Amino acid sequence: EAGVTQFPSHSVIEKGQTVTLRCDPISGHDNLYWYRRVMGKEIKFLLHFVKESKQDESGMPNNRFLAERTGGTYSTLKVQPAELEDSGVYFCASSQKWRSYEQYFGPGTRLTVT
Amino acid sequence: AQRVTQPEKLLSVFKGAPVELKCNYSYSGSPELFWYVQYSRQRLQLLLRHISRESIKGFTADLNKGETSFHLKKPFAQEEDSAMYYCALTGEYGNKLVFGAGTILRVKS
Repeated sequence: EAGVTQFPSHSVIEKGQTVTLRCDPISGHDNLYWYRRVMGKEIKFLLHFVKESKQDESGMPNNRFLAERTGGTYSTLKVQPAELEDSGVYFCASSQKWRSYEQYFGPGTRLTVT
Repeated sequence: AQRVTQPEKLLSVFKGAPVELKCNYSYSGSPELFWYVQYSRQRLQLLLRHISRESIKGFTADLNKGETSFHLKKPFAQEEDSAMYYCALTGEYGNKLVFGAGTILRVKS
């Protein structure tokens, strides 16, 4: 079974540019999550999709971040315009059901904003 | 507010020594607690969860509601246990994981 995949693995962009991160969850997993780890800090929740609907987006830092999940399959996270403080590692995770079920993590996308 | 505290950034032990990675949490309801691990060049993966009450790779963790702790223990450390360990919780009404800052475990030979 293929795991959660993320693209790209690394992205280096300049402040003010736009970047789109993609996540493909494990097939059949309705729940998809985005997290990020900013340098030196803990991994923090960004948002949670159930199929194509946003269940919880309380962790989205501001309106420069836009997440979508087309048809309940893959998800994209767009940052526009990027700022220096957006640098970090963005993780995607998916799970079959909620709460007690294991969240399977992708390898992460390392974003560097210069 | 939900919070997970891992007081040690780095824990260094010798092979064969006991290991205890500390985790304390703050949550007013009934959380579910997890330990996730990230080995070098691998992705974050679940190690164990408190509801399973199982031992994985020799590690155990007991939820102590009185002390609001979920410490991870192993009686005899092995070199392959070297990794970053994260304690995390979810609350009753959501799925999001709240992570601690993580503890690097280094097992020396």
